Amino acid sequence: GAGVSQSPSNKVTEKGKDVELRCDPISGHTALYWYRQSLGQGLEFLIYFQGNSAPDKSGLPSDRFSAERTGGSVSTLTIQRTQQEDSAVYLCASRPKPGGASGSRVPYNEQFFGPGTRLTVL
Amino acid sequence: AQSVTQLDSHVSVSEGTPVLLRCNYSSSYSPSLFWYVQHPNKGLQLLLKYTSAATLVKGINGFEAEFKKSETSFHLTKPSAHMSDAAEYFCVVSDGWFGNEKLTFGTGTRLTIIP
Repeated sequence: GAGVSQSPSNKVTEKGKDVELRCDPISGHTALYWYRQSLGQGLEFLIYFQGNSAPDKSGLPSDRFSAERTGGSVSTLTIQRTQQEDSAVYLCASRPKPGGASGSRVPYNEQFFGPGTRLTVL
Repeated sequence: AQSVTQLDSHVSVSEGTPVLLRCNYSSSYSPSLFWYVQHPNKGLQLLLKYTSAATLVKGINGFEAEFKKSETSFHLTKPSAHMSDAAEYFCVVSDGWFGNEKLTFGTGTRLTIIP
């Protein structure tokens, strides 16, 4: 079946402009994550959506960053007033619903990653 | 809090020789541990995962990793390197449970295979 898709694959923008990055998760996956991968760095967690619960926004680096997930499927990451330090590859991942009741220790399910969007802020 | 340290940013081995990529972790709970691989211009792919079952985990493409709680390590190994193994490898830890799953990535190890 189709994997996680992201668009655009590349985005070049000028400092101060707003950008929107899109993620289409695997159909039926309940959890969706956004990460940022800067040059020479590991992946940095940004935000996490799980079903209808309030998203975990603890990784967003500033209030210029926001994300939404419509209808429990497609997600859009928005960066307002972009800065040069925002240049990075933005990765989206989705995961199926894990088994077990809430609060129980259950095996962690694999996250499936998209190919990423390379953002360059000039 | 959880963290993961990849001890080598770059490893070079000759084709046909063993591969060892080192990873140490820190976790408040019994962790789940993963190795992901990222080939140039491609997405991240799961190599293998440890989730408190057998401590020796076998993954794809001949890779395996051993969970050693006493050493807080989860090193990745392969007996014989192939040219196609050249990529970036990430060690990942999660101590989340249902409803709170987050992954913490290491900074990556770039594996170069010498012909």
